[in-house]
Amino acid sequence: QQQVRQSPQSLTVWEGETAILNCSYENSAFDYFPWYQQFPGEGPALLISILSVSDKKEDGRFTIFFNKREKKLSLHIADSQPGDSATYFCAASKGYPGGYKVVFGSGTRLLVSP
Amino acid sequence: EAAVTQSPRSKVAVTGGKVTLSCHQTNNHDYMYWYRQDTGHGLRLIHYSYVADSTEKGDIPDGYKASRPSQENFSLILELASLSQTAVYFCASSDAKGWGGQDTQYFGPGTRLLVL
Repeated sequence: QQQVRQSPQSLTVWEGETAILNCSYENSAFDYFPWYQQFPGEGPALLISILSVSDKKEDGRFTIFFNKREKKLSLHIADSQPGDSATYFCAASKGYPGGYKVVFGSGTRLLVSP
Repeated sequence: EAAVTQSPRSKVAVTGGKVTLSCHQTNNHDYMYWYRQDTGHGLRLIHYSYVADSTEKGDIPDGYKASRPSQENFSLILELASLSQTAVYFCASSDAKGWGGQDTQYFGPGTRLLVL
């Protein structure tokens, strides 16, 4: 019940296209969903996040679409650039008194070809 | 200025040997975490700590110990390193101001460990 699944494992798009990365989760108690971006040789860094009370969150070219009923969300990267080539992790989080629990998916490796 | 640093950045260890990975943060965060990253598994939580001198088990603690001697420092210890512990290890810190889970984790650059 704690799993977070991501698909596809890897994705290649052409520069300028929209990349769509998918994520699903099992535990309906999760209420916060951050996406982390990781470049080779670096640690992950927060890219964008959404709360379960929202169905959409935009930040520039990055948009999260969230479907609470289906326990699915997706990250859309519009006008993809070669600099967006990285691994993207979807995570799911729930709070509890004194702390919180976060579970990471296995990641999607995105390659944007010029 | 990097807020979470790790040392060493890479290490080769022998099976059965002791390995200590160190993490230092200047974020003034209470929470610190150790994750391992393996291809196809993403990030898995090994140990975490929310206060100095106390550590908690994560999802995969077997074979690992942790030490939090101060708010800034958090170490991961492999007493008897095994081949299966070859991975990239990440340290992270976060505010975790309270419940709600709306927290950002700040990761270090990682330590690449190879056990032979």
